[in-house]
Amino acid sequence: QVQLVESGGGLVKPGGSLRLSCAASGFSFSDYYMSWIRQAPGKGLEWVSCISSSGSSIYYADSVKGRFTISRDNAKNSLYLQMNSLRAEDTAVYYCARYWYFDLWGRGTLVTVSS
Amino acid sequence: DIQMTQSPSTLSASVGDRVTITCRASQTISSWLAWYQQKPGKAPKLLIYKASTLESGVPSRFSGSGSGTEFTLTISSLQPDDFATYYCQQYNSYPWTFGQGTKVEIK
Repeated sequence: QVQLVESGGGLVKPGGSLRLSCAASGFSFSDYYMSWIRQAPGKGLEWVSCISSSGSSIYYADSVKGRFTISRDNAKNSLYLQMNSLRAEDTAVYYCARYWYFDLWGRGTLVTVSS
Repeated sequence: DIQMTQSPSTLSASVGDRVTITCRASQTISSWLAWYQQKPGKAPKLLIYKASTLESGVPSRFSGSGSGTEFTLTISSLQPDDFATYYCQQYNSYPWTFGQGTKVEIK
């Protein structure tokens, strides 16, 4: 079954860290660019970061640059997002998605940053 | 950064209506534009990519057009399942950006 499953979300205090994971199955993960996209409660979609199929090219939104790190392990069919120095405004559902136009999405994992 | 502006923000329509949503880019993005549908509590679903290519499995009542800076998503005959929020997204250059969304409500 072709799917993406995110995990690792939860409640964290401002300034804290969290690592999100995205497990891919049913397709050749190593062939695809992958992204993280987030959606704050009641708000629109915001692209966060993207990594090329080999991991050699990485891009970030200005809002997370220097705090978040995207990575992947093609042997494990997994995508990651290391989030440091978290702020209240990082509170959102975080989705992983496939390719440049996002043709496959996970169900999302909720990250809440609050004291 | 390329700004994507959708209009209207909210649209009230009836079943059977023809609905058009517009997305404008702050600079040219050729045809590197996608449209998504999102229902409450669910992940977005890809409808159209490369401005006018219908994603597999998406009903043919959805269509997309445009290039450069102005794009439209048209639903030819609105169905009950189509009441949702729609987003455009450019993937011409980083950072990839979304429009703010258009909510299609029941009239």
